[in-house]
Amino acid sequence: DAGVTQSPTHLIKTRGQHVTLRCSPISGHKSVSWYQQVLGQGPQFIFQYYEKEERGRGNFPDRFSARQFPNYSSELNVNALLLGDSALYLCASSHGDRGANQPQHFGDGTRLSIL
Amino acid sequence: GENVEQHPSTLSVQEGDSAVIKCTYSDSASNYFPWYKQELGKRPQLIIDIRSNVGEKKDQRIAVTLNKTAKHFSLHITETQPEDSAVYFCAASNTGNQFYFGTGTSLTVIP
Repeated sequence: DAGVTQSPTHLIKTRGQHVTLRCSPISGHKSVSWYQQVLGQGPQFIFQYYEKEERGRGNFPDRFSARQFPNYSSELNVNALLLGDSALYLCASSHGDRGANQPQHFGDGTRLSIL
Repeated sequence: GENVEQHPSTLSVQEGDSAVIKCTYSDSASNYFPWYKQELGKRPQLIIDIRSNVGEKKDQRIAVTLNKTAKHFSLHITETQPEDSAVYFCAASNTGNQFYFGTGTSLTVIP
Protein backbone atom coordinates (compact mmCIF):
# COMPACT_ATOMS: atom_id res chain seq x y z
CA ASP A 1 0.00 0.00 0.00
CA ALA A 2 1.17 3.52 -0.71
CA GLY A 3 1.98 5.66 2.28
CA VAL A 4 0.92 9.24 2.87
CA THR A 5 1.85 11.32 -0.15
CA GLN A 6 2.35 15.07 -0.19
CA SER A 7 2.89 17.54 -2.97
CA PRO A 8 4.83 19.49 -3.85
CA THR A 9 8.03 18.36 -2.11
CA HIS A 10 9.60 21.80 -2.22
CA LEU A 11 8.17 25.25 -2.75
CA ILE A 12 9.62 28.74 -2.80
CA LYS A 13 7.34 31.74 -2.33
CA THR A 14 7.71 35.42 -1.52
CA ARG A 15 6.13 37.34 1.32
CA GLY A 16 2.47 38.15 0.82
CA GLN A 17 1.80 35.29 -1.57
CA HIS A 18 -0.46 32.35 -0.83
CA VAL A 19 0.25 28.65 -1.05
CA THR A 20 -1.71 25.40 -1.30
CA LEU A 21 -0.23 22.15 -0.07
CA ARG A 22 -1.77 18.78 -0.83
CA CYS A 23 -1.95 15.47 0.97
CA SER A 24 -3.30 12.03 0.12
CA PRO A 25 -3.78 9.73 3.10
CA ILE A 26 -3.13 6.03 3.32
CA SER A 27 -5.97 4.09 1.73
CA GLY A 28 -8.68 3.49 4.32
CA HIS A 29 -7.60 6.34 6.58
CA LYS A 30 -10.29 8.93 7.15
CA SER A 31 -8.42 11.38 9.35
CA VAL A 32 -5.81 13.83 8.15
CA SER A 33 -3.77 16.15 10.33
CA TRP A 34 -1.41 18.95 9.38
CA TYR A 35 1.73 19.94 11.26
CA GLN A 36 4.33 22.66 10.89
CA GLN A 37 7.90 21.66 11.74
CA VAL A 38 10.40 24.46 12.08
CA LEU A 39 14.05 23.40 11.87
CA GLY A 40 15.21 21.95 15.16
CA GLN A 41 11.72 21.73 16.66
CA GLY A 42 9.00 19.13 17.00
CA PRO A 43 5.95 19.16 14.73
CA GLN A 44 3.34 21.72 15.79
CA PHE A 45 -0.32 20.76 15.35
CA ILE A 46 -2.22 22.95 12.88
CA PHE A 47 -5.44 21.12 11.92
CA GLN A 48 -7.15 17.80 12.14
CA TYR A 49 -9.90 16.72 9.74
CA TYR A 50 -12.08 13.67 10.01
CA GLU A 51 -14.81 12.77 7.57
CA LYS A 52 -14.43 16.19 5.90
CA GLU A 53 -15.06 18.10 9.11
CA GLU A 54 -12.56 20.10 11.10
CA ARG A 55 -12.10 18.32 14.42
CA GLY A 56 -9.26 20.37 15.85
CA ARG A 57 -7.26 23.50 15.33
CA GLY A 58 -3.92 24.43 16.83
CA ASN A 59 -2.68 27.87 17.79
CA PHE A 60 -2.21 29.25 14.28
CA PRO A 61 -3.61 32.48 12.76
CA ASP A 62 -6.59 32.62 10.45
CA ARG A 63 -4.21 32.87 7.50
CA PHE A 64 -4.03 29.10 7.78
CA SER A 65 -6.99 27.11 6.52
CA ALA A 66 -7.61 23.59 5.32
CA ARG A 67 -10.21 21.30 3.93
CA GLN A 68 -10.77 17.61 3.33
CA PHE A 69 -12.36 16.18 0.23
CA PRO A 70 -14.80 13.24 -0.19
CA ASN A 71 -11.86 10.96 -1.10
CA TYR A 72 -10.23 12.00 2.24
CA SER A 73 -7.38 13.90 0.59
CA SER A 74 -6.70 17.30 2.06
CA GLU A 75 -5.36 20.74 1.25
CA LEU A 76 -3.64 23.22 3.52
CA ASN A 77 -3.84 26.84 2.46
CA VAL A 78 -1.73 29.66 3.83
CA ASN A 79 -2.43 33.27 2.85
CA ALA A 80 -0.32 36.41 3.18
CA LEU A 81 2.86 34.42 3.68
CA LEU A 82 5.38 35.65 6.22
CA LEU A 83 9.07 34.82 6.53
CA GLY A 84 8.22 32.88 9.69
CA ASP A 85 6.04 30.49 7.71
CA SER A 86 9.17 28.89 6.29
CA ALA A 87 9.07 25.33 7.56
CA LEU A 88 8.47 21.70 6.73
CA TYR A 89 4.73 21.06 6.52
CA LEU A 90 3.83 17.51 7.43
CA CYS A 91 0.63 15.67 6.79
CA ALA A 92 -0.32 12.62 8.83
CA SER A 93 -3.18 10.21 8.40
CA SER A 94 -4.89 7.72 10.69
CA HIS A 95 -8.04 5.64 10.76
CA GLY A 96 -9.41 8.40 12.93
CA ASP A 97 -12.20 6.62 14.75
CA ARG A 98 -13.15 8.80 17.66
CA GLY A 99 -12.87 7.39 21.14
CA ALA A 100 -9.68 5.51 20.44
CA ASN A 101 -6.41 7.06 19.44
CA GLN A 102 -4.89 5.61 16.34
CA PRO A 103 -1.23 5.83 15.28
CA GLN A 104 -0.56 8.66 12.87
CA HIS A 105 1.53 7.99 9.79
CA PHE A 106 3.42 10.88 8.27
CA GLY A 107 4.20 11.88 4.73
CA ASP A 108 7.58 13.19 3.62
CA GLY A 109 6.40 16.76 3.95
CA THR A 110 6.52 19.91 1.85
CA ARG A 111 9.51 22.13 2.42
CA LEU A 112 8.22 25.72 2.14
CA SER A 113 10.71 28.56 1.86
CA ILE A 114 9.62 32.18 2.01
CA LEU A 115 11.91 34.81 0.50
CA GLY B 1 -3.92 22.97 25.50
CA GLU B 2 -1.42 20.21 26.03
CA ASN B 3 2.24 21.02 26.71
CA VAL B 4 4.87 18.33 26.21
CA GLU B 5 8.41 18.81 27.44
CA GLN B 6 11.25 16.54 26.37
CA HIS B 7 14.76 16.02 27.79
CA PRO B 8 17.56 15.90 26.98
CA SER B 9 17.79 17.84 23.75
CA THR B 10 20.97 16.02 22.77
CA LEU B 11 22.32 12.66 23.88
CA SER B 12 25.51 10.84 22.96
CA VAL B 13 26.12 7.23 23.95
CA GLN B 14 28.68 4.58 23.13
CA GLU B 15 27.54 1.75 20.93
CA GLY B 16 26.06 -0.99 23.10
CA ASP B 17 25.07 1.34 25.92
CA SER B 18 21.50 2.29 26.80
CA ALA B 19 19.77 5.57 26.02
CA VAL B 20 16.88 7.10 27.95
CA ILE B 21 14.72 10.00 26.82
CA LYS B 22 12.14 11.54 29.13
CA CYS B 23 8.94 13.50 28.48
CA THR B 24 6.36 15.18 30.66
CA TYR B 25 2.87 16.27 29.71
CA SER B 26 0.39 18.66 31.26
CA ASP B 27 -3.09 17.52 30.22
CA SER B 28 -4.44 14.73 32.42
CA ALA B 29 -6.88 13.86 29.61
CA SER B 30 -4.02 12.68 27.38
CA ASN B 31 -4.17 8.92 27.03
CA TYR B 32 -1.99 7.95 24.09
CA PHE B 33 1.77 8.46 23.89
CA PRO B 34 3.64 7.59 20.69
CA TRP B 35 7.35 7.94 20.00
CA TYR B 36 8.70 8.87 16.59
CA LYS B 37 12.15 8.57 15.06
CA GLN B 38 13.13 11.10 12.42
CA GLU B 39 16.28 10.69 10.39
CA LEU B 40 17.73 13.70 8.64
CA GLY B 41 15.52 14.79 5.76
CA LYS B 42 13.02 11.99 6.30
CA ARG B 43 9.51 11.66 7.67
CA PRO B 44 8.87 10.89 11.34
CA GLN B 45 8.45 7.14 11.79
CA LEU B 46 6.42 5.63 14.61
CA ILE B 47 8.65 3.30 16.64
CA ILE B 48 6.53 2.49 19.69
CA ASP B 49 3.45 3.75 21.46
CA ILE B 50 1.71 3.26 24.79
CA ARG B 51 -1.81 3.85 26.01
CA SER B 52 -2.73 5.14 29.44
CA ASN B 53 -4.06 1.81 30.66
CA VAL B 54 -0.59 0.28 30.39
CA GLY B 55 2.51 1.08 32.45
CA GLU B 56 5.18 -0.41 30.21
CA LYS B 57 5.56 -1.75 26.71
CA LYS B 58 8.53 -3.44 25.04
CA ASP B 59 9.46 -4.15 21.45
CA GLN B 60 12.85 -5.84 21.12
CA ARG B 61 15.46 -3.22 22.13
CA ILE B 62 12.92 -0.46 22.66
CA ALA B 63 10.69 0.06 25.68
CA VAL B 64 8.42 2.81 26.90
CA THR B 65 7.24 3.43 30.45
CA LEU B 66 4.37 5.62 31.57
CA ASN B 67 3.65 7.15 34.97
CA LYS B 68 0.18 8.67 34.77
CA THR B 69 0.28 10.07 38.29
CA ALA B 70 3.44 12.03 37.61
CA LYS B 71 2.47 12.69 33.99
CA HIS B 72 5.71 11.50 32.52
CA PHE B 73 6.80 8.82 30.10
CA SER B 74 10.17 7.62 28.92
CA LEU B 75 11.78 5.86 25.97
CA HIS B 76 14.48 3.31 26.68
CA ILE B 77 16.76 1.97 23.96
CA THR B 78 19.09 -0.85 24.96
CA GLU B 79 22.17 -2.17 23.14
CA THR B 80 22.29 0.95 20.99
CA GLN B 81 23.60 0.71 17.44
CA PRO B 82 24.87 3.43 15.08
CA GLU B 83 21.65 3.17 13.05
CA ASP B 84 19.74 4.31 16.14
CA SER B 85 21.27 7.77 15.60
CA ALA B 86 18.38 10.13 14.78
CA VAL B 87 16.08 12.69 16.35
CA TYR B 88 13.42 11.17 18.60
CA PHE B 89 10.12 12.88 19.38
CA CYS B 90 7.61 12.04 22.05
CA ALA B 91 3.97 13.04 21.67
CA ALA B 92 0.78 13.06 23.70
CA SER B 93 -2.80 12.86 22.52
CA ASN B 94 -6.30 12.60 23.89
CA THR B 95 -9.23 10.88 22.25
CA GLY B 96 -9.53 13.83 19.89
CA ASN B 97 -6.57 12.43 17.97
CA GLN B 98 -4.76 15.75 18.20
CA PHE B 99 -1.10 15.14 18.82
CA TYR B 100 1.27 17.45 20.69
CA PHE B 101 4.97 16.82 20.23
CA GLY B 102 8.02 17.42 22.35
CA THR B 103 10.96 19.42 21.03
CA GLY B 104 13.01 16.37 20.13
CA THR B 105 16.16 14.59 21.29
CA SER B 106 19.09 14.24 18.93
CA LEU B 107 20.65 10.86 19.71
CA THR B 108 24.15 10.06 18.52
CA VAL B 109 25.49 6.53 18.93
CA ILE B 110 29.27 6.52 18.80
CA PRO B 111 30.76 3.37 17.22
